[in-house]
Amino acid sequence: GAGVSQSPSNKVTEKGKDVELRCDPISGHTALYWYRQSLGQGLEFLIYFQGNSAPDKSGLPSDRFSAERTGGSVSTLTIQRTQQEDSAVYLCASSLRPQQKNTEAFFGQGTRLTVV
Amino acid sequence: QQPVQSPQAVILREGEDAVINCSSSKALYSVHWYRQKHGEAPVFLMILLKGGEQMRHEKISASFNEKKQQSSLYLTASQLSYSGTYFCGTEMEAGGTSYGKLTFGQGTILTVHP
Repeated sequence: GAGVSQSPSNKVTEKGKDVELRCDPISGHTALYWYRQSLGQGLEFLIYFQGNSAPDKSGLPSDRFSAERTGGSVSTLTIQRTQQEDSAVYLCASSLRPQQKNTEAFFGQGTRLTVV
Repeated sequence: QQPVQSPQAVILREGEDAVINCSSSKALYSVHWYRQKHGEAPVFLMILLKGGEQMRHEKISASFNEKKQQSSLYLTASQLSYSGTYFCGTEMEAGGTSYGKLTFGQGTILTVHP
């Protein structure tokens, strides 16, 4: 596609339910990142994929959070037993790293998750 | 460690200039600047590399002072379209390689009035 696509754009869920957030990166981008943006805050790194592997999961806040990537393309971020503090905008980005050194990441519009 | 941006907010009249700073306590490999409008994706502006030159994009330029580990974004003759939240993202070198993981500042809200 032309850009990074995320779905759904908005998700309202009840506390305790599981949710899945999807990211379609730009075609050919091997690097994929998930970030979280809470209201009025900066972006917080969650996880980095290179192909289907996740060499850096250091930002996942708890074991309720997991992510996978298949076919070196689509990624899914899963949050189990959602809590109210999980409410945020979840942003996905992709880039041509490491093939192109020092290149930028392109962001999707994000999924706004609200846990009620 | 999260970089510190200053100021937190700026209000300008169209045509005025502004400077946004981004400081880190860690040695950096690069600094990335993004602008985000409400409800939209962050949009890449420019990247500053360790040992690199000052970058420029139209009337927006940026510099990176390696001694201070500080980057500054300069907006000249601001336009209404410059309004938004500006984020710096810092990248640290990891064992001689870098893979694009960014640590973002808290953002600077820029508002340009006619």
